[in-house]
Amino acid sequence: AQTIHQWPVAEIKAVGSPLSLGCTIKGKSSPNLYWYWQATGGTLQQLFYSITVGQVESVVQLNLSASRPKDDQFILSTEKLLLSHSGFYLCAWSLLGGRSYEQYFGPGTRLTVL
Amino acid sequence: GQQVQQSPASLVLQEGENAELQCNFSTSLNSMQWFYQRPEGSLVSLFYNPSGTKQSGRLTSTTVIKERRSSLHISSSQITDSGTYLCAAGNYAQGLTFGLGTRVSVFP
Repeated sequence: AQTIHQWPVAEIKAVGSPLSLGCTIKGKSSPNLYWYWQATGGTLQQLFYSITVGQVESVVQLNLSASRPKDDQFILSTEKLLLSHSGFYLCAWSLLGGRSYEQYFGPGTRLTVL
Repeated sequence: GQQVQQSPASLVLQEGENAELQCNFSTSLNSMQWFYQRPEGSLVSLFYNPSGTKQSGRLTSTTVIKERRSSLHISSSQITDSGTYLCAAGNYAQGLTFGLGTRVSVFP
């Protein structure tokens, strides 16, 4: 069974419309959560990270926001999409403590803004 | 912040040749990972290797922290090895910084 699930798989949206992308982690207690974004032909960039429910840190400003309403859920959203928001969004998790800081990535969401 | 440089940007191989992909990072780290990126964008994890050498099949990863570099060695390349390889470095709590990648093309 897959540990990390992202939804939707793909989305086509109009400029100025709202957006909500989701990520759910199954079977892991209190994971660190991350959002990454990659423009077509660009580098994967970290957008946000969260180490606990209700706390989110922004790494790159892209007129997006993130929230962690539950321990196993991470949401990426905006009220008004820009053309520059197009790209591939990846959610990842890692575990607090231990000796390994490995991150595990979800399957991603492809966003096209027209 | 952390900067990650990958080289070469692209590589053309004849099937059976070996290849070495390089990753240089700017500051010390506690996390180093290598990925294969599928054409549609998703990542296949190849190695988590913050220090030392790890091998998996025909792939070997070596990270030397004091020299701020990591490498991915592909031996006896196959056509199915074609694609983009990404390295990423960072601090676990703050996430990973990715390189631009190395595009590998293997021809018969």
